[in-house]
Amino acid sequence: DGGITQSPKYLFRKEGQNVTLSCEQNLNHDAMYWYRQDPGQGLRLIYYSQIVNDFQKGDIAEGYSVSREKKESFPLTVTSAQKNPTAFYLCASSIPGQGVVRTAFFGQGTRLTVV
Amino acid sequence: RKEVEQDPGPFNVPEGATVAFNCTYSNSASQSFFWYRQDCRKEPKLLMSVYSSGNEDGRFTAQLNRASQYISLLIRDSKLSDSATYLCVVKEGPIGSSNTGKLIFGQGTTLQVKP
Repeated sequence: DGGITQSPKYLFRKEGQNVTLSCEQNLNHDAMYWYRQDPGQGLRLIYYSQIVNDFQKGDIAEGYSVSREKKESFPLTVTSAQKNPTAFYLCASSIPGQGVVRTAFFGQGTRLTVV
Repeated sequence: RKEVEQDPGPFNVPEGATVAFNCTYSNSASQSFFWYRQDCRKEPKLLMSVYSSGNEDGRFTAQLNRASQYISLLIRDSKLSDSATYLCVVKEGPIGSSNTGKLIFGQGTTLQVKP
């Protein structure tokens, strides 16, 4: 079945460690996104990528890094510079296009907790 | 001003009631519009796309007013299972000119349907 897969579902990080969240899609979508959601809050955009080997910062990119070496994969690294990383992280993908309505699909999310 | 704004609610309504949510967006060049539903501790899922001509899917009706830059969602005959957070989503055009290509979420409107 086509879809978007995030792993792991739950992740615990010690302070000062970098961790990488995986996001893989087999929908042949060009665009991929990473969002962060805090309890009772909306989704805030961390990074997004419209095409392979290119990505842009979202609204809260500080302390995060990404790569887009393959169309299918858009991993997110939460670095030690991110001071408050405990949150629910959501990855999404969509087909970019002009003049056409395109939907976005989400992975099931990764809950990151700093211990 | 936020790029996409919603009243967070919560909206508490009895079963069978009709309820409407509005969402405003700031970028007149925005390209595509959607309503997503998010259940507690789950990923957002597409509820419906929003077209200029308006669209209806069973008890749900979505409207887009480009001149006033707002989107609405109407739910008729509310069910207990409609209790969730409803996210307004705006997709900007491809990167270039005033467009960023981003998928931008409102903070969501919480609906609680009571027996």
